[in-house]
Amino acid sequence: DIQMTQSPSSLSASVGDRVTITCRASQSISTFVNWYQQKPGKAPKLLIYAASSLQSGVPSRFSGSGSGTDFTLTISSLQREDFATYYCQQSYTSTWTFGQGTKVEIK
Amino acid sequence: QVQLQESGPGLVKPSGTLSLTCAVSGGSISSSNWWSWTRQPPGKGLEWIGEMYHSGTTNYNPSLKSRVSISVDKSKNQFSLKLSSVTAADTAVYYCARRDATGWFDPWGQGTLVTVSS
Repeated sequence: DIQMTQSPSSLSASVGDRVTITCRASQSISTFVNWYQQKPGKAPKLLIYAASSLQSGVPSRFSGSGSGTDFTLTISSLQREDFATYYCQQSYTSTWTFGQGTKVEIK
Repeated sequence: QVQLQESGPGLVKPSGTLSLTCAVSGGSISSSNWWSWTRQPPGKGLEWIGEMYHSGTTNYNPSLKSRVSISVDKSKNQFSLKLSSVTAADTAVYYCARRDATGWFDPWGQGTLVTVSS
């Protein structure tokens, strides 16, 4: 299975901050990475697919980049509603796997 | 738009079989998508369980393959999960989701907590 490792596991940030979350794959996966946001007690929500494509309805302050083994999710100006846990997921092989999550907390 | 809703018992006894159903509304289960199950133990991350195409083709996580069965009922526009020989380690929130052909999951059901306990 392809392992997806996120860093950091958690971070504290303030409203208006630029936030970057990293996801590293255990092997090269081209741009087959997707990003999700999960709020407490809620289902994950797709934010970014194919490494950099913004899902319909997702604010433009979210962006994704990367290829090969290293990927990033960036929130350009953190808003209060963005405090949540973020997961990456590889879609390169059909045993789909997720990163362990990055919790974004209020500083 | 497509919506999914999980249903099933919230409590299952150890060594028993967990059975859940996901009802699909706003779209046909016979569309060109896969229909999947993912779980999340309390306070932990996401683990993909398996999926089915409307033709009956399945794809399971190798770590769970010996215990998992996913089926589809086109007449009811729903699909189901069965997980056998459960233990406390199978306690989790179980989510159904549609998987796009290129691999991302959207939308998701709201999730249902299943506790394995005697």
